[in-house]
Amino acid sequence: AQTVTQSQPEMSVQEAETVTLSCTYDTSESDYYLFWYKQPPSRQMILVIRQEAYKQQNATENRFSVNFQKAAKSFSLKISDSQLGDAAMYFCAYRSLNDKIIFGKGTRLHILP
Amino acid sequence: AAGVIQSPRHLIKEKRETATLKCYPIPRHDTVYWYQQGPGQDPQFLISFYEKMQSDKGSIPDRFSAQQFSDYHSELNMSSLELGDSALYFCASSTTPLAGGPGELFFGEGSRLTVL
Repeated sequence: AQTVTQSQPEMSVQEAETVTLSCTYDTSESDYYLFWYKQPPSRQMILVIRQEAYKQQNATENRFSVNFQKAAKSFSLKISDSQLGDAAMYFCAYRSLNDKIIFGKGTRLHILP
Repeated sequence: AAGVIQSPRHLIKEKRETATLKCYPIPRHDTVYWYQQGPGQDPQFLISFYEKMQSDKGSIPDRFSAQQFSDYHSELNMSSLELGDSALYFCASSTTPLAGGPGELFFGEGSRLTVL
């Protein structure tokens, strides 16, 4: 069975600085999707970024980028120029083709003004 | 763009009562998922439907049942409610990745169930 591990329950970063959230996963499949979802206090689940496993190029969405290391089964999220609105719970998630999403335990990110 | 619609947004029930949550997926999405998120927890998969047939089952209690109707909306029925059922219930929809879909799940805003 696939598993997703986020080893950092909480992190803090100064506003305008850069922070990296870690995620590792375990799977025997070769093709799958990885995601980072953001859950602010409103509890809405918002997709931050998506990575297809067959793509070697790391996904980027504005201030958000990932470091996808397929062999190491690592999928970290880098947030540049952190803003107060980035404060939220961040979930790393795995999805094999045609299957449900499996979430990690989450990392709560605090932004310090 | 249309999003996943869930109702009700908030629901308060007594122990042993029954609750029904509804989900209206994004049009043309063929798969619906239900997740339960307890306080301070990650979302746990309950059940999914593909083209109105149950496609996968997770940690869903026997007291819970779900179905997807001909118009693709889905309902989660919870009976004999317990205090521990208090949680945020998410519905999500997607297109099948194998059909060339983008892969991600689109989540509704959730239905918050409080059992007293």
